[in-house]
Amino acid sequence: NAGVMQNPRHLVRRRGQEARLRCSPMKGHSHVYWYRQLPEEGLKFMVYLQKENIIDESGMPKERFSAEFPKEGPSILRIQQVVRGDSAAYFCASSPPRQTNEQFFGPGTRLTVL
Amino acid sequence: GENVEQHPSTLSVQEGDSAVIKCTYSDSASNYFPWYKQELGKRPQLIIDIRSNVGEKKDQRIAVTLNKTAKHFSLHITETQPEDSAVYFCAARKGPFYGGATNKLIFGTGTLLAVQP
Repeated sequence: NAGVMQNPRHLVRRRGQEARLRCSPMKGHSHVYWYRQLPEEGLKFMVYLQKENIIDESGMPKERFSAEFPKEGPSILRIQQVVRGDSAAYFCASSPPRQTNEQFFGPGTRLTVL
Repeated sequence: GENVEQHPSTLSVQEGDSAVIKCTYSDSASNYFPWYKQELGKRPQLIIDIRSNVGEKKDQRIAVTLNKTAKHFSLHITETQPEDSAVYFCAARKGPFYGGATNKLIFGTGTLLAVQP
């Protein structure tokens, strides 16, 4: 059973470009979470999704950030018009339905904005 | 609001000694408390967790204690080894069964543990 997969692992964007980060949860997992880790800081919750539904987006910046988890395919975190302050590691986690205690983390995408 | 404080931010111990990391949470509705270990450039990995109906849990050299009244929980690592060196994060979450809550984890700011050989 493959773990949580994220791609790309490293992403470099220039200011103003768009960044798309993908997360494939573990097989059988229908809950996906996105967290952001700024350099030398802890993880900050961004958004919690189930298939085709956003459950909690209280940690998402109001502008430029969006997330989806379609019926088919990976979850996508999209950042439009990136700025240098968006540079961070973005981690995705997943958990199975009905057993939502443990969240399994992916390897992260390290976004660098030039 | 929801907040988790973690201390110390750095901890250096000699191999074989014990290490203790402490966290305090603000939301009394929190009922699940995991601890994650993150090595440099790697993903966070769950090492132990505890629910609010339990006061202590142990797994080999690792133990976690929870004081619900004081809203404290602590990680104890005994007989530390160099491979225990990493950043450790505590977290708290309101359970999915507590009206209106979601599964989001609120993380502490991390403790960099260095085990000196």
